[in-house]
Amino acid sequence: GAVVSQHPSWVICKSGTSVKIECRSLDFQATTMFWYRQFPKQSLMLMATSNEGSKATYEQGVEKDKFLINHASLTLSTLTVTSAHPEDSSFYICSARDNRGWNEQYFGPGTRLTVT
Amino acid sequence: GENVEQHPSTLSVQEGDSAVIKCTYSDSASNYFPWYKQELGKRPQLIIDIRSNVGEKKDQRIAVTLNKTAKHFSLHITETQPEDSAVYFCAAQPGSGYSTLTFGKGTMLLVSP
Repeated sequence: GAVVSQHPSWVICKSGTSVKIECRSLDFQATTMFWYRQFPKQSLMLMATSNEGSKATYEQGVEKDKFLINHASLTLSTLTVTSAHPEDSSFYICSARDNRGWNEQYFGPGTRLTVT
Repeated sequence: GENVEQHPSTLSVQEGDSAVIKCTYSDSASNYFPWYKQELGKRPQLIIDIRSNVGEKKDQRIAVTLNKTAKHFSLHITETQPEDSAVYFCAAQPGSGYSTLTFGKGTMLLVSP
């Protein structure tokens, strides 16, 4: 199979603090992972593409200094929301590309972030 | 870049009926078209996909068709069941497989018993 985990599943933090979210591919190596943001009743919005061993590629309008991405190994990518504000509250989902087959993307279970 | 349009935004059917969700894409270079099912508060799950070298693919009650000339693809669910109720997203990916997926806005499918 192709299993992707994400931690934590939910987090509540105060304004001004930073939060780190981990995304792991459990049974395959992923040179490329993706970070999405999803608002209620909306589609998945790609924030950035995370490449192992190199800098992430951010989508237009996404602040790279606010959403720090690190892909230090073939099974782990992290997203750090720095100086969080209430408007950063959202559902953050990662996905990992499985290079063993046809490059399908498999999603993590998501992290619900609430900033108070 | 790629643009994916998805219709309808909501679809209500009776249990046992068929459901069809349609998507169009803009980039003729797209060659991979997955469909994801997302239940409330959960992750999107890949349910079926199709590549540009085939026109139709079927997996039990689910089928996907692709018309490359018209740049549209559709998801067909037969004999719907209440557990099929969820949001369904289509997506398109151009290039060699190392590019990103572009998602449609989603279709909320409600199957009434």
